[in-house]
Amino acid sequence: DGGITQSPKYLFRKEGQNVTLSCEQNLNHDAMYWYRQDPGQGLRLIYYSQIVNDFQKGDIAEGYSVSREKKESFPLTVTSAQKNPTAFYLCASSPLGVNTEAFFGQGTRLTVV
Amino acid sequence: AQKVTQAQTEISVVEKEDVTLDCVYETRDTTYYLFWYKQPPSGELVFLIRRNSFDEQNEISGRYSWNFQKSTSSFNFTITASQVVDSAVYFCALSEANTGFQKLVFGTGTRLLVSP
Repeated sequence: DGGITQSPKYLFRKEGQNVTLSCEQNLNHDAMYWYRQDPGQGLRLIYYSQIVNDFQKGDIAEGYSVSREKKESFPLTVTSAQKNPTAFYLCASSPLGVNTEAFFGQGTRLTVV
Repeated sequence: AQKVTQAQTEISVVEKEDVTLDCVYETRDTTYYLFWYKQPPSGELVFLIRRNSFDEQNEISGRYSWNFQKSTSSFNFTITASQVVDSAVYFCALSEANTGFQKLVFGTGTRLLVSP
């Protein structure tokens, strides 16, 4: 079945470490996105990409980095520069264009220990 | 700037009650899209509906219905005869057409608890 796969589901990180969250889609979508969800704050856009080898910062990109080497994959690295990384991270994809909808993965819950 | 407000943080109802989730949005664009997503306890967001700014017709899908009113910048969601399986967090979101692709601005969500 087509969909978006995020791994791992739970991730624990020590302070000062970088960690990478995986996101893979087999929907043949051009656009991919990373959102961060905190309690009571809804979802906020971290990074997005419309095409391979190109990506743009969203509203809260500081302390994060991404790559888009393949159409199917859009990994997110949470760096040690991110001051408060504990959150729920959701990856999404969509066709290009605005008259479409985004499909979401099941999320990765990151906890700093 | 775009903004989506969901003033109801949490709503509790008993099964079979009707419930309305409110959504108010702000945008300067004349062409935009509004969405509702459901987030069950498993975590993923499930798409429910997309509505463009030129289509103010109300929509009904089974027990779900949506009321879009541009005059009050609202896009409210009603569940009729609620069921326990409707328990989830519901998000309203906005996307402006001038971005050229899906760049969603989300509300803070409304948690719906349906008890038996």
